[in-house]
Amino acid sequence: QQQVKQSPQSLIVQKGGISIINCAYENTAFDYFPWYQQFPGKGPALLIAIRPDVSEKKEGRFTISFNKSAKQFSLHIMDSQPGDSATYFCAASSRNYGQNFVFGPGTRLSVLP
Amino acid sequence: KAGVTQTPRYLIKTRGQQVTLSCSPISGHRSVSWYQQTPGQGLQFLFEYFSETQRNKGNFPGRFSGRQFSNSRSEMNVSTLELGDSALYLCASSPQLAASASEQFFGPGTRLTVL
Repeated sequence: QQQVKQSPQSLIVQKGGISIINCAYENTAFDYFPWYQQFPGKGPALLIAIRPDVSEKKEGRFTISFNKSAKQFSLHIMDSQPGDSATYFCAASSRNYGQNFVFGPGTRLSVLP
Repeated sequence: KAGVTQTPRYLIKTRGQQVTLSCSPISGHRSVSWYQQTPGQGLQFLFEYFSETQRNKGNFPGRFSGRQFSNSRSEMNVSTLELGDSALYLCASSPQLAASASEQFFGPGTRLTVL
């Protein structure tokens, strides 16, 4: 119940295309869902995050779609650029559960020029 | 503001040895969390310290321990190293308890190799 599942494991997209990464969770106590971006040799950095009271959040080219009933959320990267090539992690946490962040296994995105 | 710093960045040890990793959080941040990152297991939570007290602990053996000092700096110790402990150890800081905060800020990590 603590797991966060993430797919695909790897993704190759052409420059200008849309990258879509999906995550699913089981613990309904989770109330915060961030996405992290990690470049080689660096620690993860927060990209965008959502709480379950909204179904979508957009920041620039990055959009989170959230489906509370299905317990799924996804990251959409519009107009993907080679500089977006990185590993993306979804995560979940709960203020009331007292559990620190649970991370998905990661998606390695490669954007071809 | 300076970011989260971790020292050393790289470390090579042999089986059976022990190691201490250090993390300096962002100024004013009181929470420090530690994570282990491996290709096979991904990012796994080790423990969180807040105001010098361990607040949460992940599912790791007792060989993994930590502490936090009054200036919020934290150290993580691994005793009796095993080959499987080879990983990137990440430290993250936040102003409040991680689960209550809007964001955790990660350091660059310490790459530990156990031979």
